[in-house]
Amino acid sequence: LAKTTQPISMDSYEGQEVNITCSHNNIATNDYITWYQQFPSQGPRFIIQGYKTKVTNEVASLFIPADRKSSTLSLPRVSLSDTAVYYCLVARAGTALIFGKGTTLSVSS
Amino acid sequence: DTAVSQTPKYLVTQMGNDKSIKCEQNLGHDTMYWYKQDSKKFLKIMFSYNNKELIINETVPNRFSPKSPDKAHLNLHINSLELGDSAVYFCASSQGGGATDTQYFGPGTRLTVL
Repeated sequence: LAKTTQPISMDSYEGQEVNITCSHNNIATNDYITWYQQFPSQGPRFIIQGYKTKVTNEVASLFIPADRKSSTLSLPRVSLSDTAVYYCLVARAGTALIFGKGTTLSVSS
Repeated sequence: DTAVSQTPKYLVTQMGNDKSIKCEQNLGHDTMYWYKQDSKKFLKIMFSYNNKELIINETVPNRFSPKSPDKAHLNLHINSLELGDSAVYFCASSQGGGATDTQYFGPGTRLTVL
């Protein structure tokens, strides 16, 4: 599976839009890009998954360029409660989820 | 209703003891997993079961033995506990058996081995 690289940490203020970019240069044709969120002392929670172009749900948007070698998770107007670790994963059917170090997002008032 | 539940939430024990962690999901999913998150926050798959059948066993010491009495339950039994077993253990479930299926995680069990 393709290795993912994302920033170790990011800081933001309430009300701002946060974009977390993940690179996955060796992504394969049948791989999907998946993002999970983990709050302190809780299990990870699925945020969004996409294959190409743009995917949007009530929580976030995921932008994937045509070459699929990177992706950007966009969180609109973050609040203090969005402080968490965000994991970018390359997912392939029939295989296990491989979590990396994730990006620790800290939102301040 | 809690989708994926684990008991106990905290477990403190001595080296050499045997302990079990229980997991139950009420989502009707076919696949269940155990993950270990160590002190450095790395989250790693240990096992996955699909309809009570072991699918993934990721080089985990054989002191760890998962047991699935039915597809709604996946328990983790650990023999001869070691200091390095201290971690948070998460149970998860998904409808399908692959990484592309959304996994629902439990609240975790923090195991401390003294």
